[in-house]
Amino acid sequence: DAGVTQSPTHLIKTRGQQVTLRCSPKSGHDTVSWYQQALGQGPQFIFQYYEEEERQRGNFPDRFSGHQFPNYSSELNVNALLLGDSALYLCASSLSGAKLFFGSGTQLSVL
Amino acid sequence: SQQGEEDPQALSIQEGENATMNCSYKTSINNLQWYRQNSGRGLVHLILIRSNEREKHSGRLRVTLDTSKKSSSLLITASRAADTASYFCATAPSGAGSYQLTFGKGTKLSVIP
Repeated sequence: DAGVTQSPTHLIKTRGQQVTLRCSPKSGHDTVSWYQQALGQGPQFIFQYYEEEERQRGNFPDRFSGHQFPNYSSELNVNALLLGDSALYLCASSLSGAKLFFGSGTQLSVL
Repeated sequence: SQQGEEDPQALSIQEGENATMNCSYKTSINNLQWYRQNSGRGLVHLILIRSNEREKHSGRLRVTLDTSKKSSSLLITASRAADTASYFCATAPSGAGSYQLTFGKGTKLSVIP
């Protein structure tokens, strides 16, 4: 049973560029959440998708957007990248419950 | 913003000793969870305690919750080198319509063989 998979593992971009990160949830899970984790900090909630809709959003600017597909997989898009967007981006899936299953993350470096 | 705050920020113990880390939070919660993270990669769920529970056990883990003090503690007994990791508490707020988990900054545990 595959867990949560994220791609790519690492990514290097320059300021002003756009990036798309991808996530496949654990089999049977219908809810996907995205978190940003800066070095030495805890994960911060970006948003959650359920039934292809953004159900809740954290305190992130509109440059951060997402999508959930009918097969429950999800994308995180970040436009106009800033140096401060450099972080580990974590995807987590769940099934109508509180317990989250995390992927290994995408390490984004913005130069 | 960070809701939970773990204490201490870092902890170093010998293998076989017990490790205790604490978490404080600010608002009413539905439940509190603890996660482990190895080497800055994905987090692994350890245990969940609901707001109406005071103590919960899972293997070598013991979690307590004091909602009057808005605090929780995680005890790892008989620690092993493999327990070396960062540990985060995460709170789920009470009330309908709120689905986010809010994480603290974590406690970095080092278990010396």
